[in-house]
Amino acid sequence: AQKVTQAQTEISVVEKEDVTLDCVYETRDTTYYLFWYKQPPSGELVFLIRRNSFDEQNEISGRYSWNFQKSTSSFNFTITASQVVDSAVYFCALSERYNFNKFYFGSGTKLNVKP
Amino acid sequence: DAGVIQSPRHEVTEMGQEVTLRCKPISGHNSLFWYRQTMMRGLELLIYFNNNVPIDDSGMPEDRFSAKMPNASFSTLKIQPSEPRDSAVYFCASSLALANEQYFGPGTRLTVT
Repeated sequence: AQKVTQAQTEISVVEKEDVTLDCVYETRDTTYYLFWYKQPPSGELVFLIRRNSFDEQNEISGRYSWNFQKSTSSFNFTITASQVVDSAVYFCALSERYNFNKFYFGSGTKLNVKP
Repeated sequence: DAGVIQSPRHEVTEMGQEVTLRCKPISGHNSLFWYRQTMMRGLELLIYFNNNVPIDDSGMPEDRFSAKMPNASFSTLKIQPSEPRDSAVYFCASSLALANEQYFGPGTRLTVT
């Protein structure tokens, strides 16, 4: 079974629209970490955020915000007022206590922001 | 600060040839990871090292793949002999400690013809 599910394969929005990328995870551990990475067309993977399972506070960083809800096992990512430079593939990942070094990546959501 | 450095950035080789990919982790990081990314399988963890010691190589697809980390600042991933199905982007990543975020290199795009 998939540990991290990103059901949205591809999303297209027009610049300045808000967009939310969904991430649903599955784990039996009570201690775990969640991550988001961005992969722009140039190909490198860029770290965006890490969240531990004990901290459910939402996080905001500029136009980016993350909503962590343990009750629904979700860690969603919202981009406010999207820009063309936000066009990329976004990956959600999970690591669990029994092996923190092993990241389970979702299949990614490709975001297209059109001018 | 320098990020993770990988070389070469692109490699084109013929089936049956040996391929060696190289990685220099971020200075001070003690964990190093090799991933493979393909359209079909997404991002797959091949192997990771902690303090230069291989910890988990369960993701290495076959005996044709091998990885070494002779010191804290250098690692290699070798494929011998290479096959067309090995064509992919290979990423190296490093992290400072357990459960810390991993920082990825730019990747090596391997094409085996």
